[in-house]
Amino acid sequence: SQTIHQWPATLVQPVGSPLSLECTVEGTSNPNLYWYRQAAGRGLQLLFYSVGIGQISSEVPQNLSASRPQDRQFILSSKKLLLSDSGFYLCAWSVGIEGVEYFGPGTRLTVL
Amino acid sequence: DQQVKQNSPSLSVQEGRISILNCDYTNSMFDYFLWYKKYPAEGPTFLISISSIKDKNEDGRFTVFLNKSAKHLSLHIVPSQPGDSAVYFCAASYSGTYKYIFGTGTRLKVLA
Repeated sequence: SQTIHQWPATLVQPVGSPLSLECTVEGTSNPNLYWYRQAAGRGLQLLFYSVGIGQISSEVPQNLSASRPQDRQFILSSKKLLLSDSGFYLCAWSVGIEGVEYFGPGTRLTVL
Repeated sequence: DQQVKQNSPSLSVQEGRISILNCDYTNSMFDYFLWYKKYPAEGPTFLISISSIKDKNEDGRFTVFLNKSAKHLSLHIVPSQPGDSAVYFCAASYSGTYKYIFGTGTRLKVLA
């Protein structure tokens, strides 16, 4: 069966510090991978998605970047965090076109 | 431009009664729809889907109805249980795409 891992679960970082969140998927090949953010009291905002290694689509121009160094690994990064980067970050995977997206447990990021 | 809207931010229902969660969309090209349930500090969990070739899909206590002419879908939960208390998101996609557009969510509270 397929599983998705995200770490860390919780992160507190100072403004201006770098960020690296990692997501890995097991039990499937060539998944589509997604990064979402849920700000406090808000909906799910799609940040990036990838349909293959090295292929990244950015949905919202901002302070973040994403990379997919391996088939089942998706990394969300920032060189300098802003206060507005605080939120709940979710990784998800799907297969094929219009495949159901399955979400990981999320990372709570607080930027102070 | 919010293409998928959940106009009710919250809903309270008595245990045992029906919960009806609504979702409206603006893009007539959307042809596949999902509903997710989300508990605090967790990733969303997929509940049920519906294709635009259908107007109803049922899975246990959950039924989704699609009205294409009105660009409206709804999720019915019968009977509602306290464990159903969560935030519910609808999401829409159209053929050929790899991503979903999510609504802003409706917080359901089932009162015991």
